[in-house]
Amino acid sequence: DIQMTQSPSVLSASVGDRVTLNCKASQNINKYLNWYQQKLGEAPKLLIYNTNNLQTGIPSRFSGSGSGTDYTLTISSLQPEDVATYFCFQHNSWPTFGSGTKLEIK
Amino acid sequence: QVQLQQSGAELAKPGSSVKISCKASGYTFTSYYISWIKQTTGQGLEYIGYINTGSGGTNYNEKFKGKATLTVDKSSSTAFMQLSSLTPDDSAVYYCARSRGFAYWGQGTLVTVSS
Repeated sequence: DIQMTQSPSVLSASVGDRVTLNCKASQNINKYLNWYQQKLGEAPKLLIYNTNNLQTGIPSRFSGSGSGTDYTLTISSLQPEDVATYFCFQHNSWPTFGSGTKLEIK
Repeated sequence: QVQLQQSGAELAKPGSSVKISCKASGYTFTSYYISWIKQTTGQGLEYIGYINTGSGGTNYNEKFKGKATLTVDKSSSTAFMQLSSLTPDDSAVYYCARSRGFAYWGQGTLVTVSS
């Protein structure tokens, strides 16, 4: 199975900061990479699909990029409501998830 | 709009079984597979497998073979996952999700295994 490694595991940033979360696959996943936001007690919510496509209804401050094995989720200006855990997920082959980045406000 | 509505929380005893449901609405049920995902604090998110909602064909993560059984009732647009021979390690939140894109998820079903 493809291993997905997310970094950092915890990120603390200030409101208004530009924030970058990383996800590295153990092999090429051909951009079949989704990003999810999960708040406490809720189901994961799709933010970005297939690397760089913004899901309907998601604020434009969220964006994704990457290729091959390396992928990034960027929040251009961090808002208080962005406090959550973020997961990457590959569905190029047998699906696997990253272990998550917990995003906190300083 | 697309919705996946899961059944409620389950409290089960070790050695027993539970069957979770996932009722789909807002789209043609048989046009998309349904996947199942396990989430625990310790292991994170694990992909259990999927069911072809048209044919009933299934594919499982090796880790969950013999543990999870996926079925579907096309007449009610509902997918099911039965978990058998439960142990405390099966305590988790289980999600269904519409495959191909994985944009739509159920709200999750908490399964607690305790004597």
